[in-house]
Amino acid sequence: SYELTQPLSVSVALGQTARIPCGGNNIGSKVVHWYQQKPGQAPVLVIYRDSKRPSGIPERFSGSNSGNTATLTISRAQAGDEADYYCQVWDSITVLFGGGTKLTVL
Amino acid sequence: QVQLQESGPGLVKPSETLSLTCFVSGGSISGYYWNWVRQPPGKGLEYIGYIYYSGSTNSNPSLKSRVSISLDTSKNLFSLRLSSVTAADTAVYYCARAPPPLTDFGMDVWGQGTTVTVSS
Repeated sequence: SYELTQPLSVSVALGQTARIPCGGNNIGSKVVHWYQQKPGQAPVLVIYRDSKRPSGIPERFSGSNSGNTATLTISRAQAGDEADYYCQVWDSITVLFGGGTKLTVL
Repeated sequence: QVQLQESGPGLVKPSETLSLTCFVSGGSISGYYWNWVRQPPGKGLEYIGYIYYSGSTNSNPSLKSRVSISLDTSKNLFSLRLSSVTAADTAVYYCARAPPPLTDFGMDVWGQGTTVTVSS
């Protein structure tokens, strides 16, 4: 069965750029979505269809997807960006989530 | 704007059936996929399944034999039933909306989640 692999944690200095990878076999051929989840809150869609931003999501959030890795990029990281981030794909018969990455802003 | 609200018992006994409802307000059930996602304490997101407004359903193969998802368009709500629950089914359960096609848009509106504990 298909698997999505995310690092458990990523750290970024305040104001710098964070990159959160999501690995999967030929994931570039799939459509990837990204969710942000803060403690005690429901997930929020921050990127859909690899690189599209929903209304209300800052331009600092961007996405890319090629080969075996999809990447969520957060520019000019802010303290409020600290959260868990999950990638998600549709794998022919069901929805799959990555294991999640905790982003820490230092 | 569209809002989702889960409701149901917070405590379910082992071997019994978990039943949750998601009420959709501020919009119509028509035209969308309606999903259930859960999150065990301290863990990641796990997809449970969906029902399309037409009534077609699909669920995670790992849960398929125990999951039933239904729709009541007259009441603008959809429901989840998970049978033969164990402690491993203890989680926060979320309902979420996804525009079609399911592959392209992700889940753009989520409920706040409801905690379900399986314990005798």
